[in-house]
Amino acid sequence: DGGITQSPKYLFRKEGQNVTLSCEQNLNHDAMYWYRQDPGQGLRLIYYSQIVNDFQKGDIAEGYSVSREKKESFPLTVTSAQKNPTAFYLCASSISQGKKAFFGQGTRLTVV
Amino acid sequence: DAKTTQPNSMESNEEEPVHLPCNHSTISGTDYIHWYRQLPSQGPEYVIHGLTSNVNNRMASLAIAEDRKSSTLILHRATLRDAAVYYCILVNNNAGNMLTFGGGTRLMVKP
Repeated sequence: DGGITQSPKYLFRKEGQNVTLSCEQNLNHDAMYWYRQDPGQGLRLIYYSQIVNDFQKGDIAEGYSVSREKKESFPLTVTSAQKNPTAFYLCASSISQGKKAFFGQGTRLTVV
Repeated sequence: DAKTTQPNSMESNEEEPVHLPCNHSTISGTDYIHWYRQLPSQGPEYVIHGLTSNVNNRMASLAIAEDRKSSTLILHRATLRDAAVYYCILVNNNAGNMLTFGGGTRLMVKP
């Protein structure tokens, strides 16, 4: 089945450690996105990528980094510079930027 | 970027129609109106989208005002499984635009 997969579903890390969240899609989509969601809030855009080897900052990119070495994969690294990393992280993809998006099931990151 | 305004929450009774409003007074001529919904602890799912004409699909209907400054998502018969946060967003297919979400409307469905 085609789809977008995020792993793991739950992730715990100690403060000060970098952590990488996985996002893989087999939909042959060019565009991929990362969002952060805090309790009771909407989604905020962290980074997006229109094509392999290219990505742009969203509204809240500070403390995060991404790479897009393959079309299928868009991993997000939450660095120690992110002051409040505990959140629900959502990855999405679309056939091209601005088209209907498909979302993964999310990764809930807890930093202790 | 053009923004949308939605009520924070709405209530509906099961098996009754639900009309979820969205205001987008600064919409541009090339902005599409997209609706997504998010169930608890899940990623959002696409519901429907349109440009100028009203649209229907198996999930919902989208009614777009003639001046395009507002739209309404219509669930014809609400079920308990429709309880979710509904997001109305404007999407421009030109390069440089992305999916920007607001706070959405939390729909509560009463049995």
